[in-house]
Amino acid sequence: EIVMTQSPATLSVSPGERATLSCRASQSVSSNLAWYQQKPGQTPRLLIYGASTRVTGFPARFSGSGYGTDFTLTISSLQSEDFAVYYCQQYNNWPLYTFGQGTKLEIK
Amino acid sequence: QVQLVESGGGVVQPGRSLRLSCAASGFTFSSYAMHWVRQAPGKGLEWVANIWSDGINTYYADFVKGRFTISRDTSKSTLYLQMNSLRAEDTAMYYCARDRAHDAIDVWGQGTTVTVSS
Repeated sequence: EIVMTQSPATLSVSPGERATLSCRASQSVSSNLAWYQQKPGQTPRLLIYGASTRVTGFPARFSGSGYGTDFTLTISSLQSEDFAVYYCQQYNNWPLYTFGQGTKLEIK
Repeated sequence: QVQLVESGGGVVQPGRSLRLSCAASGFTFSSYAMHWVRQAPGKGLEWVANIWSDGINTYYADFVKGRFTISRDTSKSTLYLQMNSLRAEDTAMYYCARDRAHDAIDVWGQGTTVTVSS
């Protein structure tokens, strides 16, 4: 099983600042990685797939990068609506998905 | 619009069974692989099971293998999850989810809550 590890567990950032979230795979997943955003009381939403392809509807301040085992989600200038939990997920082993444990992005 | 609506959750005693349903609409259900993903209270996302668009190929997480069965009825555009021998650790919100293109999940239902407790 491919284990996905996200860091940090909680990230405190002020509005307007940059947030950088990390995700590491226990073995290479190529670019077969997705990011999801989940706000309290809501269902997850697909944000990025293919490690860097942003889904329509999310603004350009969200970007994904990485390949192999190390991935990053960057939010360039945080807005109030961006505070949420973010999960990475590998699908290199499709359909045997594994998710990271999540990073909670909170207002500083 | 594309929609997934789960039902069938509830409170059940350990060892008992429950069947979840997920009604799909707004897209060609038969063309998509589907998943069940769960989330225990206050915890992260956990993939449970997958069924291909052909309805034949199925895959399960190790922790449900032999206890849960995923199936689909194309004529009803409905996905199912038969859960047997339920355990307290199966307590979670269960989401029905659409596979984008043999990669990520692009559509999620609102979820149905399963509580396993005596």
